[in-house]
Amino acid sequence: NAGVTQTPKFQVLKTGQSMTLQCAQDMNHEYMSWYRQDPGMGLRLIHYSVGAGITDQGEVPNGYNVSRSTTEDFPLRLLSAAPSQTSVYFCASMASFGNTEAFFGQGTRLTVV
Amino acid sequence: EDQVTQSPEALRLQEGESSSLNCSYTVSGLRGLFWYRQDPGKGPEFLFTLYSAGEEKEKERLKATLTKKESFLHITAPKPEDSATYLCAGLHNAGNMLTFGGGTRLMVKP
Repeated sequence: NAGVTQTPKFQVLKTGQSMTLQCAQDMNHEYMSWYRQDPGMGLRLIHYSVGAGITDQGEVPNGYNVSRSTTEDFPLRLLSAAPSQTSVYFCASMASFGNTEAFFGQGTRLTVV
Repeated sequence: EDQVTQSPEALRLQEGESSSLNCSYTVSGLRGLFWYRQDPGKGPEFLFTLYSAGEEKEKERLKATLTKKESFLHITAPKPEDSATYLCAGLHNAGNMLTFGGGTRLMVKP
């Protein structure tokens, strides 16, 4: 049982480039979410999904897109990378929101130059 | 505005020196309060969920408590392996969001 798997672990982008951060879970969880973690600011919610085909914005959604075509996968797309998007990104999943623990991936460290 | 504040930001303890970490929250309609442990370079790892004032949960040297305005993570006789960043998060009643605090970085010296 792999849990929540994020790829890549590290990435360097040039300003203006686009890329997709991958997140997959094998626990059949309905709820998935993306956070970014910056020094001194804690984890902030970017986007979340309560099931396949359903997504919604979190606290800091600008510059990011998501889709949820399957229960297992929840990719995060950076449309045109900016230095302000340099951060560590975490994907998390829950069996059902609020009633069970959230499982986090190992994170993707993104640097935009 | 929903807010979760943790204090102190950093805490240095000697092995065996018990202490407490604080998490105060102003989350409207709080449904639950989560505690996580995060080691450097890794994702947060779940510790506890507390749902109502007066509730307590324990795991090894850790005990989490909840009042109407704050939660405490008590660490009894800590060991160096307890060194990590401890995060708390408030679960909103409306919407599907967790609001995280900034974390407390705990360092336990032998």
